[in-house]
Amino acid sequence: EDKVVQSPLSLVVHEGDTVTLNCSYEVTNFRSLLWYKQEKKAPTFLFMLTSSGIEKKSGRLSSILDKKELFSILNITATQTGDSAVYLCAVQGAQKLVFGQGTRLTINP
Amino acid sequence: NAGVTQTPKFQVLKTGQSMTLQCAQDMNHNSMYWYRQDPGMGLRLIYYSASEGTTDKGEVPNGYNVSRLNKREFSLRLESAAPSQTSVYFCASSVTGQSLYEQYFGPGTRLTVT
Repeated sequence: EDKVVQSPLSLVVHEGDTVTLNCSYEVTNFRSLLWYKQEKKAPTFLFMLTSSGIEKKSGRLSSILDKKELFSILNITATQTGDSAVYLCAVQGAQKLVFGQGTRLTINP
Repeated sequence: NAGVTQTPKFQVLKTGQSMTLQCAQDMNHNSMYWYRQDPGMGLRLIYYSASEGTTDKGEVPNGYNVSRLNKREFSLRLESAAPSQTSVYFCASSVTGQSLYEQYFGPGTRLTVT
């Protein structure tokens, strides 16, 4: 059965810290791995990763995929209170996305 | 473009009542999805429709039915609501015909069954 596991489930840091969120997966017919940010409502798309070792970057956020070890990390540098959210990892198999439980990130001023 | 819209935003039902959650997208996407999100469980797929006229079960389909009314609209029906169906429901859509795609989510419907 396809599975996506995120860690940690919850993380509290101070503004300015750097955080690393983890996502490991076991999915047949892997096609891509996606990161979403969820604040109050709908998840919003951050990154899609398909190839190992190629970093995707958007401002202070970056992500990389390791298809051999079956995991991805999401890094956020110089965190701000606006980064507080649940971060969801999802892996696309043959037809469907399988989501992890999410990591709840809280940034304290 | 409104993207993905859902109605209602909130709903309270009594056990045994029925209701339909509505979803529409204006992005000309072929595929549409219904998820439920429970605390600590992430998003779980209920049903999906890869294209107009087709629907398939996801991970947790029991107690639900869906209708892909046309390319824009995908509804989720609870025939006899149970407290275990208390959850936040998200509709999503995506382009198919491509090997890689992202899903766009609606704002969600918070459903409470008492």
